[in-house]
Amino acid sequence: EVQLVESGGGLVQPGRSLKLSCLASGFTFSNYGMNWIRQAPGKGLEWVASISSSSSYIYYADTVKGRFTISRDNAKNTLYLQMTSLRSEDTALYYCARPLAYWGQGTLVTVSS
Amino acid sequence: DVVMTQTPPSLSVAIGQSVSISCKSSQSLVYSDGKTYLHWLLQSPGRSPKRLIYQVSNLGSGVPDRFSGTGSQKDFTLKISRVEAEDLGVYYCAQTTHFPYTFGAGTKLELK
Repeated sequence: EVQLVESGGGLVQPGRSLKLSCLASGFTFSNYGMNWIRQAPGKGLEWVASISSSSSYIYYADTVKGRFTISRDNAKNTLYLQMTSLRSEDTALYYCARPLAYWGQGTLVTVSS
Repeated sequence: DVVMTQTPPSLSVAIGQSVSISCKSSQSLVYSDGKTYLHWLLQSPGRSPKRLIYQVSNLGSGVPDRFSGTGSQKDFTLKISRVEAEDLGVYYCAQTTHFPYTFGAGTKLELK
């Protein structure tokens, strides 16, 4: 069974940093590209970033480019999202997804002073 | 960016009724490999999104055949035949042909 378990969310002040993790199981993680997708409270879905299976290709939404970094450790079956210079508009539930077929339960990031 | 325009924004339906949701993209969603990466998702209340249909018309794993997807190029439709209570929630179309990936604003399906 495919499982994606996000962690690392929390309450953080504007301008600070946070690193999210997504532990994958039930499939060969190194064979798949992965995504981070977020959902602000009461809003729709917004794609954040994608990374190819070997990390050769990485893409970001303009709203996070230069502030967020997606990465992966295939030996640890883990996807990461390093978020810096956080803003209030980054407040959202962050999902990892493979790429839309399987979703985690999400981890909530709240940016507030 | 590809804009995904989804209509209607909400639907009020009776159990057993059939409904359709439209999704139009601002650009063709045909990729260089000839495939069309248009997908439909359902987000039930309090749950993570679930993929219903991929590449326009392919049913996701375990998805009942009451769901069907049609369309091509820039114009797509999700049809739900004989709505059941478990179908309630917000439906999204999404494209993964072009970066940035984009989603429709959602269609909220409610019980009449």
